Amino acid sequence: AQTVTQSQPEMSVQEAETVTLSCTYDTSESDYYLFWYKQPPSRQMILVIRQEAYKQQNATENRFSVNFQKAAKSFSLKISDSQLGDAAMYFCAYRGDSNYQLIWGAGTKLIIKP
Amino acid sequence: AAGVIQSPRHLIKEKRETATLKCYPIPRHDTVYWYQQGPGQDPQFLISFYEKMQSDKGSIPDRFSAQQFSDYHSELNMSSLELGDSALYFCASSLVGGSANYGYTFGSGTRLTVV
Repeated sequence: AQTVTQSQPEMSVQEAETVTLSCTYDTSESDYYLFWYKQPPSRQMILVIRQEAYKQQNATENRFSVNFQKAAKSFSLKISDSQLGDAAMYFCAYRGDSNYQLIWGAGTKLIIKP
Repeated sequence: AAGVIQSPRHLIKEKRETATLKCYPIPRHDTVYWYQQGPGQDPQFLISFYEKMQSDKGSIPDRFSAQQFSDYHSELNMSSLELGDSALYFCASSLVGGSANYGYTFGSGTRLTVV
């Protein structure tokens, strides 16, 4: 069975600095998709970035980028120039190619210090 | 752009009552997923539907049932409610197959409180 692990329950960063959130996963599948979702206090689940496993190039969305290491089964999220609005729970999620449900990590609470 | 619509946003029920949650996916999305998120927890997959047929089943209690209708909206029916059913219930939709977009769009959730 696939699992997703986020080993950092909470992270804090100074506004305008860079922070990296860790995520590792375990799977025997060769094709899959990885996601980072942001859940602010409103509890809306917002897609931040996604990565297809067959793509070697790391995904980037403005200030958000990932470091995808397929062999190490690692999928970290880097947030550059952190802003107060980035404060939220961040969930790493996995979706296999044969099963469309998302498998979630436990989440990392990101605190932005002004 | 149209998003995933969930109703109601908030619902308060008493123990042993019944609740029905509704989800309207993004137009042309053919797959709907239901998740339950307890306080301070990650979302737990309940059930999904693809083209109006149940496609996958997770940790959904027998007291719960769901279906997807001809217009692709979905309803989650919850009976004999228990205090532990209090949670945020998310619906997500996606377009499976035939598209490069394998992302999911989540609704704002229905917050169910059982008292």
